Amino acid sequence: QKEVEQNSGPLSVPEGAIASLNCTYSDRVSQSFFWYRQYSGKSPELIMSIYSNGDKEDGRFTAQLNKASQYVSLLIRDSQPSDSATYLCAVNRGDFNKFYFGSGTKLNVKP
Amino acid sequence: NAGVMQNPRHLVRRRGQEARLRCSPMKGHSHVYWYRQLPEEGLKFMVYLQKENIIDESGMPKERFSAEFPKEGPSILRIQQVVRGDSAAYFCASSPGDTDTQYFGPGTRLTVL
Repeated sequence: QKEVEQNSGPLSVPEGAIASLNCTYSDRVSQSFFWYRQYSGKSPELIMSIYSNGDKEDGRFTAQLNKASQYVSLLIRDSQPSDSATYLCAVNRGDFNKFYFGSGTKLNVKP
Repeated sequence: NAGVMQNPRHLVRRRGQEARLRCSPMKGHSHVYWYRQLPEEGLKFMVYLQKENIIDESGMPKERFSAEFPKEGPSILRIQQVVRGDSAAYFCASSPGDTDTQYFGPGTRLTVL
């Protein structure tokens, strides 16, 4: 079983719609959760971090964490074509700052 | 404040040669992580270092690969006797240590001919 699982996609949404990206993790002791965006041929850039159950909003992005279900999601409101990228979920179990990354979900926002 | 720097950005080696990848963390960051990414795949953790110490190298192949983060200078990931399967993007990330947020460098694309 992988530490972090994501659907590879592609997830296609029309411009202006809400894109919902999901991630599950296997280790209940996981403490920190991150969403990174990676454009093709580029390095990952941090979008959101979340540590507590519930929602965390930053502009058009909302991260949601449910530790009981071992589930973390990212909502992108008013999706734009520039949001088209691969979104990586990362989990930190707290052991020496070791991070586990999912394989990413590719998002296509169609104009 | 400059971000994480990596060089070279592109590196071409023939089978059997050595590849040396460098990473300079953000100013004030003392923790460095190396990841490998194959095309269309996620990031795979290789090694986590602090200054002069390897904290966790569980993701790094035991043969041909080594990493260091000296007291002075950049962190270096060294791959000896490269093979075609080593072709990948290698990313370095750094964190200040007092938080666990990582910031990534632009990566080194290694191509083995």
